[in-house]
Amino acid sequence: EVQLMESGGGLVQPGGSLRLSCTASGFTFSSYPMIWVRQAPGKGLDWVSYITSGSSTIYYADSVKGRFTISRDNAKNFLDLQMNSLRADDTAIYYCARVKWFGESPPLDYWGQGTLVTVSS
Amino acid sequence: SNELTQPPSVSVSPGQTASITCSGDKLGNKYVAWYQQRPGQSPVVVIYQDIKRPSGIPERFSGSNSGNTATLIINGAQAMDEADYYCQLWDSSTVLFGGGTKLTVL
Repeated sequence: EVQLMESGGGLVQPGGSLRLSCTASGFTFSSYPMIWVRQAPGKGLDWVSYITSGSSTIYYADSVKGRFTISRDNAKNFLDLQMNSLRADDTAIYYCARVKWFGESPPLDYWGQGTLVTVSS
Repeated sequence: SNELTQPPSVSVSPGQTASITCSGDKLGNKYVAWYQQRPGQSPVVVIYQDIKRPSGIPERFSGSNSGNTATLIINGAQAMDEADYYCQLWDSSTVLFGGGTKLTVL
């Protein structure tokens, strides 16, 4: 059974840092691109970052570029998101999701349960 | 412009057909996916590449995409279909989501 489990969320002050992790199981993690999506309280889905299976290609949303860093460890089945210079508008539930294939318009076919990040003083 | 526009809310009576639209510039030239998010749960893909339905998704879910509008259609809506629905596409190096539509079945 495919499972994705996020961890690392919590309360952080503006300007602070936080590292999120996503632990994958039930599939060959190293074969799939992965993505982070966030959802502010009561709001819609907002893409954050994308990474290919071998980490050769990485994309970021403009809103997090230069502040967030996505990475993965295929040997340990981990996907990470290092978040620096956090702002109040980064407050959201952060989901990791599997990208079904590398290529044209893949769906996000499995999602974790999400981890809540709250940026507040 | 790189924006996807959805109506904030749609209502449907049980057993009737619900249509949720997603509008964007030349959207018909791109593939659209749709995600269902029930309250307190993570999103689930219900349609991808405009018309394809993942295994396990009921046949009452279908999609279309032409011109500037993609549409998610739920034939014979059920109470369990009450949820937020998001359209999504890949646009070069970015991922775009629509603002979401709250479907009420009553």
